[in-house]
Amino acid sequence: NAGVMQNPRHLVRRRGQEARLRCSPMKGHSHVYWYRQLPEEGLKFMVYLQKENIIDESGMPKERFSAEFPKEGPSILRIQQVVRGDSAAYFCASSLGRLNEQYFGPGTRLTVT
Amino acid sequence: AQKITQTQPGMFVQEKEAVTLDCTYDTSDQSYGLFWYKQPSSGEMIFLIYQGSYDEQNATEGRYSLNFQKARKSANLVISASQLGDSAMYFCAMREDSGGGADGLTFGKGTHLIIQP
Repeated sequence: NAGVMQNPRHLVRRRGQEARLRCSPMKGHSHVYWYRQLPEEGLKFMVYLQKENIIDESGMPKERFSAEFPKEGPSILRIQQVVRGDSAAYFCASSLGRLNEQYFGPGTRLTVT
Repeated sequence: AQKITQTQPGMFVQEKEAVTLDCTYDTSDQSYGLFWYKQPSSGEMIFLIYQGSYDEQNATEGRYSLNFQKARKSANLVISASQLGDSAMYFCAMREDSGGGADGLTFGKGTHLIIQP
């Protein structure tokens, strides 16, 4: 009965490096969402994926950010050439369907030095 | 305009009292869903309760209930008999079902609830 898994829980990167964040949805869930939470703020939607498809990436920055959810394996949020402003908590959520409740993982806290 | 407004940045409440956390929303969709999440200091997001726009009854889950007033576009969270472990950030969120907007949840800025012994 595992929930949504995210790893790593904490990630430190220097400016210019790449960050890869992983998310394994709850068993049976094929819908995955990524959110970003800046300090002292609520979560902001980034991207919504189903297996092998990006459904909605309206919240993703246009450059340096990409996401995938392959047929096998976890969903990946990739941030290239990180900058200090990318420091945030990144949450993944999964659901049975678009109109079902979203269950969140524990988050990955990215720190860019 | 803010889609989700939580007007209480912080609240202090005595243990065992009932708490009402305010949330108002703005949407032109006829079909939508409203959610409350709890974020303790450890950082995870815990789903508490859901209300669909067409649900006639207010949602309840244990000590949590959602006071849904559709005409006022408000979805306040009520916690009965508060406990020390209820101290956390609480976020109200909305999903709009028309498909015309983003598919993710829209969150408010949160209310920091502190329960005092």
